[in-house]
Order: sequence, then structure tokens, then C-alpha cells
Amino acid sequence: DAGVTQSPTHLIKTRGQQVTLRCSPKSGHDTVSWYQQALGQGPQFIFQYYEEEERQRGNFPDRFSGHQFPNYSSELNVNALLLGDSALYLCASSSRVLKNIQYFGAGTRLSVL
Amino acid sequence: QKEVEQNSGPLSVPEGAIASLNCTYSDRGSQSFFWYRQYSGKSPELIMSIYSNGDKEDGRFTAQLNKASQYVSLLIRDSQPSDSATYLCAVNSAGNKLTFGGGTRVLVKP
Repeated sequence: DAGVTQSPTHLIKTRGQQVTLRCSPKSGHDTVSWYQQALGQGPQFIFQYYEEEERQRGNFPDRFSGHQFPNYSSELNVNALLLGDSALYLCASSSRVLKNIQYFGAGTRLSVL
Repeated sequence: QKEVEQNSGPLSVPEGAIASLNCTYSDRGSQSFFWYRQYSGKSPELIMSIYSNGDKEDGRFTAQLNKASQYVSLLIRDSQPSDSATYLCAVNSAGNKLTFGGGTRVLVKP
């Protein structure tokens, strides 16, 4: 049973560019949440998708957007990259039927130069 | 005031001893509480979940919850060098959003 998978593993971009990160949830899960983790800090909630709609959003600017597909996979898009966007981006999947416990993928490390 | 607070550590523990980690939270409406372990350069791994007041044991780990005091703790018994990691306390309050503390770094010395 595959867990949560994320791609790519690492990414290097320059300021002003755009990036797309991808996530496939654990089998049986229908909800995907995205988090940003800066070095030495706890993960910060970006947003959550369920039934192809954004259900909750954290304190992140509109440059951060996302999408969920019918197969429950999800994308995180970040436009106009800033140096401060350099972080580990984590995807977590869960199921409302299974107590909403969130399981994390390995993450995508984004470096903005 | 931060929503979820943890001592950043490092918490240095001799091998075989008990490591005690604490976490406080501000939202009284919080219903679900989690402990994740994160090794350096890796993603968080769920080790415990707790939903009601009292203790919950799973192997060498015991989680304790006191909603009146807004306090969650994690005990690691018989600490091993492989337990050296950062432990993240997470609280699920509004909807299904997890709010994390900054993590406590634990070092288990042989």
C-alpha cells in the first residue's frame, strides 16, 4: 500500500519564477492538506482540499494556490517566488471516515535563489 | 501568544532513561492531539494520537492529555539513540487543520 507520494523531491528556482508541486494521497484518503516548513520551525498550514474544493486556508498570500483532481491527487502552485519561499513543502492526506488523522509525504524541498 | 508551544530543547537524555516532552495549546475547542517525530531532513511521522483526557500508551510511548489545563505531554520510556529526533506536537482544532508547535529536539546519549 503506497503512502503519500510527493514530487519532485528537490527543486531550485529563481526569484519571480513559478513552481508546481504534486501530491498523491494514501490509498483510501480523500483529503489533502499542504504545509510549509521553514528550517528549524514547525509546519505551517497552507490550505486543504476536499471534493476538489479548497476547504480551509491558512495565512498565506494569494500567490499560493492549489488544485485537487477527481482521483484526489493535488497540486500546489506558487507564483512570483520570493527568497522567503525557500522551505520544505509537505503534503498530508487524511480521510474523514478515519478520524482525519494526517499522514505526511516525504516533502519537496524548494530552494529559491 | 503562540497557539501551540513547546520547549525547543535540546532535551538531552541518557540511554535507557525516560524522556518527558511537554506541549501547551491556546484553543480550548481543540479536540484531537498528535505527536509526530521528525528526523533531520525527513518528514513528520505520526507516533501518537490522543482525543480524551488521561493517558494513552503505545509501546514505549505514553501520551497524556489534560484539556482543563490545555496541556499535552509525551513520555518516551527506555530511550534509545534512535529516538534522537525533533518531536512535534500538533493540535487539530478548527476543521481538519493541524497547528504545530515549533518542536522539541531530543538527544539520547549512549
